[in-house]
Amino acid sequence: AQRVTQPEKLLSVFKGAPVELKCNYSYSGSPELFWYVQYSRQRLQLLLRHISRESIKGFTADLNKGETSFHLKKPFAQEEDSAMYYCALLGSGTYKYIFGTGTRLKVLA
Amino acid sequence: GAVVSQHPSRVICKSGTSVKIECRSLDFQATTMFWYRQFPKQSLMLMATSNEGSKATYEQGVEKDKFLINHASLTLSTLTVTSAHPEDSSFYICSANSGGNYNEQFFGPGTRLTVL
Repeated sequence: AQRVTQPEKLLSVFKGAPVELKCNYSYSGSPELFWYVQYSRQRLQLLLRHISRESIKGFTADLNKGETSFHLKKPFAQEEDSAMYYCALLGSGTYKYIFGTGTRLKVLA
Repeated sequence: GAVVSQHPSRVICKSGTSVKIECRSLDFQATTMFWYRQFPKQSLMLMATSNEGSKATYEQGVEKDKFLINHASLTLSTLTVTSAHPEDSSFYICSANSGGNYNEQFFGPGTRLTVL
């Protein structure tokens, strides 16, 4: 079954601490993986995608096919990183996303 | 980037009435749009895939007669909540794929529906 799992509903860290938001997926083929972010009272927006292998706002995510994971990491969290983060999977040949349940990140001062 | 708008941003209606929500892609054409429902502080639940010129594809458990979707043009999809009840109160979000190389979906700002 196709599935995206984000085990943590809430993650609280102090400013300056490292952050890792976990994402595991289940998919039989070669999916595309994304991280979307929703800041307070804003629309959902793309943060990064695995195929571009880029760092956005200090965040990186590496696709580990062996562990079927796509964890989101940032070495030093900032207060403005507080938001809801969704991991999403796009199967081959489709435009339909499968979203994880989301992790709320709270960065404490 | 591509912009998706929704109208209205919030609506309050009486139980039993119908409400129409519009989703527009402002600067690109979208043959496929998606409708999601989001409960407070929870994930997005895909309701249906809206296909231009054809019937929408509904996810399991979503009543197609209750949530009518029309995708009459390449820039407009509408979701009509028929005979709304208080349990239909939620945040409804649409998205569209711009068809670019990276399959990015662009999301609308959402519509807050409150059924009294």
